[in-house]
Amino acid sequence: QVTLKESGPALVKPTQTLTLTCTFSGFSLNTRGMRVSWIRQPPGKALEWLARIDWDGDKIYSTSLKTSLTISKDTSKNQVVLTMTNMDPADTATYYCARSNWGSYDHALDFWGQGTMVTVSS
Amino acid sequence: QSALTQPPSVSGSPGQSVTISCTGTGSDVGSYNRVSWYQQPPGTAPKLIIYDVSNRPSGVPDRFSGSKSGNTASLTISGLQAEDEADYYCLSYTTRSAYVFGTGTKVTVL
Repeated sequence: QVTLKESGPALVKPTQTLTLTCTFSGFSLNTRGMRVSWIRQPPGKALEWLARIDWDGDKIYSTSLKTSLTISKDTSKNQVVLTMTNMDPADTATYYCARSNWGSYDHALDFWGQGTMVTVSS
Repeated sequence: QSALTQPPSVSGSPGQSVTISCTGTGSDVGSYNRVSWYQQPPGTAPKLIIYDVSNRPSGVPDRFSGSKSGNTASLTISGLQAEDEADYYCLSYTTRSAYVFGTGTKVTVL
C-alpha cells in the first residue's frame, strides 16, 4: 500500500526558508522508475508543479521557481525534502507530494499525500 | 511556463456528457502524449483519472475518457453522476523537462 505524508511548519515569516518533508511507504526511491514530485495549491487557486526527484538522483524544477527550490532525498528514511528560500505571502498554499512510476503510469502522479497548509505571514 | 488553459466551469444534468478542454502549445501538450487528468473534490487531494492522454488507471470508471488533437487535450465524462462534481486539472510534460498544470475546471452536476 503506497502512502505519502507531508510535514513542515504551518506558519513561516516572509524572507524565511521553508523546509518540507515528504515521508512515504509502500515503495522505494531506490527502485528504477520511481519519482517524487512536489506540487502546491494556493487557497481557491490552481495546482502548480514545483519539482521532481528520481530514483537515480536526477532532479528537475519549475522554470519560474528554479532559483529558490532545492529537492533532495534520503532513501534510508524514505523521505524527500523540499526547501524554498525567501518565502513571500504569495507562497501561501497547500503543499503536496506525489509519486510517479515510470514503469506503470509513466509521468502521471498516481499517489498523492494529503497536503500540508503553509501560511506566510509576519 | 504558462498554465494550460481550461474553461473555468462546465455543468450538466445527471446522465449527460460534459467535455473539458486543456489547451497548451507545441512545447507541451502538442509535443508529447504525456497528458494526465486529475479529479479533486473539495477539501481533498487530487486523484489520477487519466494518464498518457487516454488511459485509465485501474479502478477508474470507463465513464471517464481522454483524447488529444494538436495542442488541445480533452476529458469527457459520460453519464454524469452527482459524485463527479469536483475540480478537474490537466497536467502535461514540457519540452523544458518540466511539467505544467491546467487552470482547472469546476464541474457542476445540475
